[in-house]
Amino acid sequence: GAVVSQHPSWVICKSGTSVKIECRSLDFQATTMFWYRQFPKQSLMLMATSNEGSKATYEQGVEKDKFLINHASLTLSTLTVTSAHPEDSSFYICSASLSAQGDTIYFGEGSWLTVV
Amino acid sequence: DAKTTQPPSMDCAEGRAANLPCNHSTISGNEYVYWYRQIHSQGPQYIIHGLKNNETNEMASLIITEDRKSSTLILPHATLRDTAVYYCIVRVGGDKLIFGTGTRLQVFP
Repeated sequence: GAVVSQHPSWVICKSGTSVKIECRSLDFQATTMFWYRQFPKQSLMLMATSNEGSKATYEQGVEKDKFLINHASLTLSTLTVTSAHPEDSSFYICSASLSAQGDTIYFGEGSWLTVV
Repeated sequence: DAKTTQPPSMDCAEGRAANLPCNHSTISGNEYVYWYRQIHSQGPQYIIHGLKNNETNEMASLIITEDRKSSTLILPHATLRDTAVYYCIVRVGGDKLIFGTGTRLQVFP
């Protein structure tokens, strides 16, 4: 079964609104989680590193004020897409691990966001 | 940037072994090689990972060259359900995985 779970699996929102996506680690604690975005027929692009109890670290070119990340507990990270626009429509995926080099890194099932 | 290069696509007959190559010539001594696959509209699925020894599990085998500059993922008996994009990734410190473009494997009857 899944060890990293995302919710919702898909969401449709109106342009200008905000939408939150949750990423949960099941049965293990993850001090660090990662958020990726994937456009159709492209590879996964790392957006940011979510750190429990501290600010997220964003990759170059990713707007931190637009993609708000909160990692309030060791099993939950949330990504909020603020003031969403149609170009934000994408597949958003998170990952988590037990954090030691050599450990397996697990990915969530992904969340489809469509902004209309 | 991804530290790996893979062929963009490969075909394999059902029931035959699928051998997917990956080059990672700049890999450092303590960096692991991970393989994932992604079936359309799903999150990446973990397959296998290794450091320098060959590894085998119920899904696949991973062969890493002695100089660690390349590796091969082997699916011993490919099925139609193995059709997916396969990503070879070098884990560069911590848990951050940088994806390359992967290999699109098409298994045909």
